Amino acid sequence: GDSVTQMEGPVTLSEEAFLTINCTYTATGYPSLFWYVQYPGEGLQLLLKATKADDKGSNKGFEATYRKETTSFHLEKGSVQVSDSAVYFCALIEGGSEKLVFGKGTKLTVNP
Amino acid sequence: DAGVIQSPRHEVTEMGQEVTLRCKPISGHNSLFWYRQTMMRGLELLIYFNNNVPIDDSGMPEDRFSAKMPNASFSTLKIQPSEPRDSAVYFCASSPRRGSTEAFFGQGTRLTVV
Repeated sequence: GDSVTQMEGPVTLSEEAFLTINCTYTATGYPSLFWYVQYPGEGLQLLLKATKADDKGSNKGFEATYRKETTSFHLEKGSVQVSDSAVYFCALIEGGSEKLVFGKGTKLTVNP
Repeated sequence: DAGVIQSPRHEVTEMGQEVTLRCKPISGHNSLFWYRQTMMRGLELLIYFNNNVPIDDSGMPEDRFSAKMPNASFSTLKIQPSEPRDSAVYFCASSPRRGSTEAFFGQGTRLTVV
C-alpha cells in the first residue's frame, strides 16, 4: 500500500540555521503530497502542498518540490526561527482517494 | 468559523469503561475523518465519512471501536470496553468536499486508560 517515510527526529537547530527534513513516498499512482505541522498541544495544520510532479509548494518560508523521479518531497527552510519548533508530518493522498497517509513525524526544536 | 471542535480535550478512564469522543466538523464540510496518534504507530486513519455515510472503516482496530455520524454537524467515536493500549491522542478532521486535498484538524482528545 501507499506509504510515507520521513527522517527520524528529533532535529535540533540554532536560530537562522538551514533546515531540511527528508520525505520519500511509495504510491501506485500519482499522489498529491503535503507537509502538515503540529504545534505543541494543537492539531495538525496544512503547511504546504504539491499536486503534480515538479510542483513546488511554499508557505511561511518553507518549500518543498514534488520529485517524481526520486519519489521525494523534502521540506526546506533557509533560516529557521524559534517559532518553527513543532512536529512536521509528510503526507500523501492517492489520486481519487480521500485517505491522507502520514509519515511518523519529525520533531524540530529551534534554540535561540 | 471556530474550526473543528473536539470534546473532551482530555479523558482519563479506567480499563473496561466506555469512552465517547465527540467531534463537530466545520460547517459545510462534507467529509469527516477520525485519526489516532501514538508514539509507536504515528497517525493512523481509523474511519472516514462522506455526507454522514461511513466510507472506509478498515482502520478501526477492533470491534470495541465504533463511530457514528448521525448528522452533518456531529460525530462520535466510542470505545467499549476501553483498554490501556487505547491510550492515545484522537484527532477528528474535516474537509470541504469529497476529493478535496486539505483536511482541517481539531485539537485532539488525549485519552488515558488506566
